[in-house]
Amino acid sequence: AQRVTQPEKLLSVFKGAPVELKCNYSYSGSPELFWYVQYSRQRLQLLLRHISRESIKGFTADLNKGETSFHLKKPFAQEEDSAMYYCALGGSQGNLIFGKGTKLSVKP
Amino acid sequence: DGGITQSPKYLFRKEGQNVTLSCEQNLNHDAMYWYRQDPGQGLRLIYYSQIVNDFQKGDIAEGYSVSREKKESFPLTVTSAQKNPTAFYLCASSARGLRGNEQFFGPGTRLTVL
Repeated sequence: AQRVTQPEKLLSVFKGAPVELKCNYSYSGSPELFWYVQYSRQRLQLLLRHISRESIKGFTADLNKGETSFHLKKPFAQEEDSAMYYCALGGSQGNLIFGKGTKLSVKP
Repeated sequence: DGGITQSPKYLFRKEGQNVTLSCEQNLNHDAMYWYRQDPGQGLRLIYYSQIVNDFQKGDIAEGYSVSREKKESFPLTVTSAQKNPTAFYLCASSARGLRGNEQFFGPGTRLTVL
């Protein structure tokens, strides 16, 4: 079964602290994984995908096939990082299979 | 202004009524998708279309219907058969219906059943 699990509904950190949003997946084959972000009053948008191996807004995510994980990390959180984060798995029909999301709150 | 538009932003429906949510894109994308977003549930796929005049059911298609008569348009009808239609509906598109393609999302329509 294709599934994405985000174990934390809410993650609250202070500005400047490291952040790690957890994502685990279930997929037979080579997965395509994404992180999408939804800032307040903005539409859902792509943050990064594993194939590009980029760092966007200071965030990185490494695919660990052994642990079937794709955790999102940032060494120093900023207040503007506060948002809803969704981990997603590429489905066979071009659709996305989403986790339930993690709300990140960065306090001053 | 390029991108995906959805209308209306807010929609109220009486029980027993059908309503249609609009989704238009001018990105020249082949594939379009409808998702439903509920608090604490993430996004779930309702219907998708990889090409004009063709569409497929997603994970929660019961009580919904779609059409894809034009490349740029993919309207969703929420029928009276949908037991719990109050939700936030998101439309998305991608260049090709291929695994790994980025999806671009509309601003959403919030449907409330009175």
